[in-house]
Amino acid sequence: DTAVSQTPKYLVTQMGNDKSIKCEQNLGHDTMYWYKQDSKKFLKIMFSYNNKELIINETVPNRFSPKSPDKAHLNLHINSLELGDSAVYFCASSLMGQYGYTFGSGTRLTVV
Amino acid sequence: AQSVTQLGSHVSVSEGALVLLRCNYSSSVPPYLFWYVQYPNQGLQLLLKYTSAATLVKGINGFEAEFKKSETSFHLTKPSAHMSDAAEYFCAVTDSGGGADGLTFGKGTHLIIQP
Repeated sequence: DTAVSQTPKYLVTQMGNDKSIKCEQNLGHDTMYWYKQDSKKFLKIMFSYNNKELIINETVPNRFSPKSPDKAHLNLHINSLELGDSAVYFCASSLMGQYGYTFGSGTRLTVV
Repeated sequence: AQSVTQLGSHVSVSEGALVLLRCNYSSSVPPYLFWYVQYPNQGLQLLLKYTSAATLVKGINGFEAEFKKSETSFHLTKPSAHMSDAAEYFCAVTDSGGGADGLTFGKGTHLIIQP
């Protein structure tokens, strides 16, 4: 019954590797997002995506790329991982952005 | 552009005391405002939201917030703190433009409950 689910919950990997985080929502929402939470708990949007438009935060390195096979899924691919990519990544979804945003439980990425 | 300022990165109150977490926003259009709570090692849970209806918004777990346009504020309150309220609280803002911009978060306030 989980509304927004993301996998894996924990991801430990070496520098230079490529990894993906998967996200699925079963709420029928029209827009999905990826957020990064740093070690100071600050939450920053990375991407928003609906079936028409991808908006990329200009500060996000192009090593990060969202991929959406359909309206219910928005996966995050990260190439050439760096130590500074270590963070918690949250997937979220909303309906027209106004009625509440539902977040997944997060993926804690550790790059060693 | 929108922004949110949460005054006080840490707030400590005694169990049973009033909880007041401050949030001021900046927005060039009428805002939609949210409060989220994050318990340790968990995701974000919506406490309450303001979407241009009633200015006093009641949420879950006894929390409420009042939208004050003149003060550009959306402070979160709870009359009596409980130990289980200890968590990180985030205020967030978005415009009514359809969701493409997502939420802009404040830096969070860590609420500590003293026994």
